[in-house]
Amino acid sequence: QVKLLQSGAALVKPGASVKMSCKASGYTFTDYWVSWVKQSHGKSLEWIGEIYPNSGATNFNEKFKGKATLTVDKSTSTAYMELSRLTSEDSAIYYCTREATVVLDYWGQGVMVTVSS
Amino acid sequence: DIQMTQSPASLSASLEEIVTITCQASQDIGNWLAWYQQKPGKSPQLLIHSATSLADGIPSRFSGSRSGTQYSLKISRLQVEDTGIYYCLQRYSNPNTFGAGTKLELK
Repeated sequence: QVKLLQSGAALVKPGASVKMSCKASGYTFTDYWVSWVKQSHGKSLEWIGEIYPNSGATNFNEKFKGKATLTVDKSTSTAYMELSRLTSEDSAIYYCTREATVVLDYWGQGVMVTVSS
Repeated sequence: DIQMTQSPASLSASLEEIVTITCQASQDIGNWLAWYQQKPGKSPQLLIHSATSLADGIPSRFSGSRSGTQYSLKISRLQVEDTGIYYCLQRYSNPNTFGAGTKLELK
């Protein structure tokens, strides 16, 4: 069955960067785009961007350009997102999701990022 | 960006009651609309895709409909396990955008 297993929670200092992972299994990793979604505490969901593992092509929400970097390792079926120059506004849960054309169908369990000195 | 205006923000309903949640898109998005349920501490779960198609394993009491740029999620007979927060998502264009969410509680 399709699974997306994300890395553990992170506590990072303001101004630092954090890199999180999303390991896919149960399907052909290179056939589907992977999206990343942010959920701030008690708030709705924001689409950050997407990456196509086969080519590395990316698309971003303008709001997250310069903040998020998306990469993949095809050999391990793992997608990565790095967030840079962290502030308290970046404290949130981050999800990776598989895109199935019209829908984000499978979601990882989420990574809680806390930015605090 | 396409705005998805979701209503109501919160809703309290009784067991077996019919519940309807709506999302109004700021422009045409065709059938590129999905509905999700999120329980506390969990990832969103897909309920409906392509505006009206039930996702695998989802009970038939959930249904989706479309009228122009207004989309609705209906729960025909509310059950205890249906409490949570519901979100709509448009994938017609980037950036994908979500509704603000509807918190559904039992009365």
